[in-house]
Amino acid sequence: GAGVSQTPSNKVTEKGKYVELRCDPISGHTALYWYRQSLGQGPEFLIYFQGTGAADDSGLPNDRFFAVRPEGSVSTLKIQRTERGDSAVYLCASSLKGLGGDTQYFGPGTRLTVL
Amino acid sequence: QKEVEQDPGPLSVPEGAIVSLNCTYSNSAFQYFMWYRQYSRKGPELLMYTYSSGNKEDGRFTAQVDKSSKYISLFIRDSQPSDSATYLCAMPGAPGGSQGNLIFGKGTKLSVKP
Repeated sequence: GAGVSQTPSNKVTEKGKYVELRCDPISGHTALYWYRQSLGQGPEFLIYFQGTGAADDSGLPNDRFFAVRPEGSVSTLKIQRTERGDSAVYLCASSLKGLGGDTQYFGPGTRLTVL
Repeated sequence: QKEVEQDPGPLSVPEGAIVSLNCTYSNSAFQYFMWYRQYSRKGPELLMYTYSSGNKEDGRFTAQVDKSSKYISLFIRDSQPSDSATYLCAMPGAPGGSQGNLIFGKGTKLSVKP
């Protein structure tokens, strides 16, 4: 079946602009995660959804970052007033139930560049 | 001290070599240990997953966990050029693995030369 998909694959924006990044998880997966990966670093956790609700948003760096998953499938990560430091690859993953032993399946990521 | 430490390399080996990749961690409550492989400009993919201490083998790959030393290893036998990638260790952030958000190491970039 289809894996996790993310759109757009690349996004270039100017400092101060608003961006939305979309994630389509694997069908039937209740858990969805957003991570951010900077150059030369491992992915860094941002937020975790269980169904429609954010079960853990402790990784969001500040209130410019927000994510939604209104129907329990597709999720959108929203970044307001973008800064150059937000430039990174934003990865989405999904897993069947969200338990520690679950396999997380990652999408290819959205490469965000803030000029 | 970061929760998960991993030497970023890069590591370059000739084809056929045995590769050893390692991570250390600080939280003794971690029970699940994963290794992900990430090719350039792709998302990470799960390679190996172990629960608690011990060894797990899958083809040319062996994952080893030493909880007493808080040290995990991934061994690759008969390495191939197609193994060239970044290898990331990861552990669930919630103690006991009740919740799946992962804490990753920095990743070790491996290059296998033909």
